[in-house]
Amino acid sequence: AQTVTQSQPEMSVQEAETVTLSCTYDTSESDYYLFWYKQPPSRQMILVIRQEAYKQQNATENRFSVNFQKAAKSFSLKISDSQLGDAAMYFCAYRNTFNTGTASKLTFGTGTRLQVTL
Amino acid sequence: ETGVTQSPTHLIKTRGQQVTLRCSSQSGHNTVSWYQQALGQGPQFIFQYYREEENGRGNFPPRFSGLQFPNYSSELNVNALELDDSALYLCASGPWGRRFGYTFGSGTRLTVV
Repeated sequence: AQTVTQSQPEMSVQEAETVTLSCTYDTSESDYYLFWYKQPPSRQMILVIRQEAYKQQNATENRFSVNFQKAAKSFSLKISDSQLGDAAMYFCAYRNTFNTGTASKLTFGTGTRLQVTL
Repeated sequence: ETGVTQSPTHLIKTRGQQVTLRCSSQSGHNTVSWYQQALGQGPQFIFQYYREEENGRGNFPPRFSGLQFPNYSSELNVNALELDDSALYLCASGPWGRRFGYTFGSGTRLTVV
């Protein structure tokens, strides 16, 4: 079974600064997907960034980028130029590939609460 | 995308009762998953439906059941509610084979007293 570990329960960053959230995972699969989701107090899971395991290039989405180290099974999220609106719970998630007859489910870590201070 | 809508947003039930939670997905979302998120935890996979059939289940007992309808709506039913069932229940949907994640609803907060 796949597992996802987020070892930082809480992080704090000053506005305009950069912060990195850590995530490690365990799997025996070679093809899979990794995601970072943001969950604000509104509760809805919002996709921040995604990475396909077969792609060596790290994904970037505006101020958000990842450091994907497949051999080390590490998938960290870097937020640059942090904004007050970035404050939320951040979840790292693993998803297996689509195979007929089996679910393509998300396995989540326990989350990191990010605080953004002035 | 018009999004994924869940109802109700909040619900209080008594231990032993039964509850039905609803999710309305957009057209084309033939895959729907349900997750349970306890306070302070990450979501846990309950089960997934594809084309109206369950195609995978997490570590949840049979009193958790579901339905998916041809109009892209779905239900999560929980029988014989227990106090530990108190959680946020999230619905996530998308087209089968889509690589880039599912769309989540805002969830239903269930409290069992």
